[in-house]
Amino acid sequence: DQQVKQNSPSLSVQEGRISILNCDYTNSMFDYFLWYKKYPAEGPTFLISISSIKDKNEDGRFTVFLNKSAKHLSLHIVPSQPGDSAVYFCAATNYGGSQGNLIFGKGTKLSVKP
Amino acid sequence: EPEVTQTPSHQVTQMGQEVILRCVPISNHLYFYWYRQILGQKVEFLVSFYNNEISEKSEIFDDQFSVERPDGSNFTLKIRSTKLEDSAMYFCASSESPSGRLHFGPGTRLTVL
Repeated sequence: DQQVKQNSPSLSVQEGRISILNCDYTNSMFDYFLWYKKYPAEGPTFLISISSIKDKNEDGRFTVFLNKSAKHLSLHIVPSQPGDSAVYFCAATNYGGSQGNLIFGKGTKLSVKP
Repeated sequence: EPEVTQTPSHQVTQMGQEVILRCVPISNHLYFYWYRQILGQKVEFLVSFYNNEISEKSEIFDDQFSVERPDGSNFTLKIRSTKLEDSAMYFCASSESPSGRLHFGPGTRLTVL
């Protein structure tokens, strides 16, 4: 039962262009969504989050968009840099009902080419 | 910036043996977690721990698993009798509050032969 889906296992983007990573979810109880970045041999690192009461959250080059009616969120990275090359995980939780129990997607491997 | 640390980085064990994976969470954090990632699969929640007891656990976290905070700094995951399918990366995480903004350690790769 995949409650959080990242349908693109990989994405390749040219340096300086926009990277768009997508994520879909099925559980309407999710009210808080997060993106984590993971480099090889390291644990996931928190990147950005969004509450279900918002439809956009921006932090520097990173913007997360949430479309609740479509149960879809996306992460935009502008401009993309080679150092952004990593696996990006979308995660969701029922903030009001859990103690940090995150449901992760399978991840999308982003490659940013110089 | 403070980090979550985990030891060992790689543990190899024989099927049926007990293993203990160790974690030192960030010192002022109160919520502790274990996640695992089987090779090529998604990161999966195992258990959360707060105030010296389990807050929540997944169906993966069966009777073979246990967690403990034996002192003020360590947080351990014990697998009593390992199985081949327990082979995975095990990530410890901690947070100040149950906000979902978890700080993950670098992981312990467990290989069960």
